[in-house]
Amino acid sequence: EDQVTQSPEALRLQEGESSSLNCSYTVSGLRGLFWYRQDPGKGPEFLFTLYSAGEEKEKERLKATLTKKESFLHITAPKPEDSATYLCAVRVFGNEKLTFGTGTRLTIIP
Amino acid sequence: GAVVSQHPSWVICKSGTSVKIECRSLDFQATTMFWYRQFPKQSLMLMATSNEGSKATYEQGVEKDKFLINHASLTLSTLTVTSAHPEDSSFYICSASLGGDSPLHFGNGTRLTVT
Repeated sequence: EDQVTQSPEALRLQEGESSSLNCSYTVSGLRGLFWYRQDPGKGPEFLFTLYSAGEEKEKERLKATLTKKESFLHITAPKPEDSATYLCAVRVFGNEKLTFGTGTRLTIIP
Repeated sequence: GAVVSQHPSWVICKSGTSVKIECRSLDFQATTMFWYRQFPKQSLMLMATSNEGSKATYEQGVEKDKFLINHASLTLSTLTVTSAHPEDSSFYICSASLGGDSPLHFGNGTRLTVT
C-alpha cells in the first residue's frame, strides 16, 4: 500500500528563520510527487511537481527537492504570510489519483 | 487557468436530509474529477473518482449508496450525501486535472454540518 508520511506535524518559526519540511514516501512506482499549500477553510493550492530523484523546483522562498525515498520543502527567510499547512502527495503509475500525507502546519511568528 | 469552483462553500442540514455539492471546472474540461474528505487537522482522504459518462469508482470503505456521485458533463460533477447524519459532518473537497502528469486543482471545499 502506498504511504506518505510528513514531519514535523507542526512547526513554529520566527520570521526569517529558515527550515525544511520532510515528506517520506513508500510507493510501488512513483509517477510524481506534489506539494500543496492549504490555508484554513480552503482547498489545497498547487505549488510544485517533482518527477525524478535529483530534481529541484523553486518558487519565491520555497524550494522542493526529491530523492528516491523522500522530498524536502525548504523555506528560506519565511514571512508570516507563509503560515499554512503544507501537504505532499504522490501519484503512482497506472492511477491519476493523489495520495496525501498528513501535512505540516507551519506558523511564522513576526 | 485550471480553476475549479465548488458550491456551496458551507451548508447546515438536519439529520436524515440529503445535501448536494457541485464541482465545476471553469476553464477546462475534466473527464475525471476526484472527491476528497478532510476531518479537522487531518489529511485529505480520497472518497471516489468521478468519471464523465460512467459510474464513479469508490475507495474501500466508502458507501456508494450514501455518497452519490454524478459526472454528467465534462465540467460538472456532483456529490450527494444522502440521509446525512452528524458523523457525515466534514470538509468535502473536489478536484480535477488537465490529464496526463498535470497536478490536481482543487475547489475551495464545502463545510457540511449535520445537526
